[in-house]
Amino acid sequence: GAGVSQSPSNKVTEKGKDVELRCDPISGHTALYWYRQSLGQGLEFLIYFQGNSAPDKSGLPSDRFSAERTGGSVSTLTIQRTQQEDSAVYLCASSLAGAKGVDTQYFGPGTRLTVL
Amino acid sequence: AQSVSQHNHHVILSEAASLELGCNYSYGGTVNLFWYVQYPGQHLQLLLKYFSGDPLVKGIKGFEAEFIKSKFSFNLRKPSVQWSDTAEYFCAVNAVRDDKIIFGKGTRLHILP
Repeated sequence: GAGVSQSPSNKVTEKGKDVELRCDPISGHTALYWYRQSLGQGLEFLIYFQGNSAPDKSGLPSDRFSAERTGGSVSTLTIQRTQQEDSAVYLCASSLAGAKGVDTQYFGPGTRLTVL
Repeated sequence: AQSVSQHNHHVILSEAASLELGCNYSYGGTVNLFWYVQYPGQHLQLLLKYFSGDPLVKGIKGFEAEFIKSKFSFNLRKPSVQWSDTAEYFCAVNAVRDDKIIFGKGTRLHILP
C-alpha cells in the first residue's frame, strides 16, 4: 500500500474488556514497531518485529499486552482486561532493515484508545 | 539506559523568528539521529536524519540540525519560521548496535501569524 494503515482509528471500550488493534505496514518493510503516545510523554516503545526473528517485547508494560505479526506483514496488538491508564494513541511504524541500526520509520495514523 | 532529552516542551514564536530546539541524548557509542514532526491532524513524518558524514544535515522545509558529538546534542534549527511550522517535534536516537529508537517527549511549537 501507499503507507502504513491502522484500524480502527478510534476505539472506546469499557474497563476490563479486551481490544485488538491492527497495523498494515508498507509492503516490503521487514521491521515493524508499536509505540504508545500519551499527552506530554512522547513515544513509548512497546514491541518490535524484524523479519522472522523473535520479537523484542522489552517495552510491553505488562503481561496484559501482547502482539503478533502474521506472515511477516500484518500485526495485531492485543490488550487484555483494559485499564483506564491504557488510554492513549497507539502508533505503528514500519521500516526497511537498516545497514547500520534503524533506518527511517514510516508511521501510521494511530488508533486512539479510550478506556472508560 | 539510553535517554533523550528535549529541553523545551512548548515554544511560541512569531513568524520570521529564528528557531532552535534542543536535543541531548545519553549514549556513548555510535548513533543514528532523527527529528520527526507531527503536524496537526497528520501522521508523524521524518524531518531529517543523521547517520554519518557531515554533522550538519538539512531536511525538508528549510530545517537543519547539527550533530555535536562532544556535547551529545542534535539541535534543530530554522532561520525563519512560518505559521505552517506549527507542529510537535520529536528528537529520536538509535544506538547502532540496537534495533530500538528512543524518542524524546516532544516540543510543541506554536507560530503566531
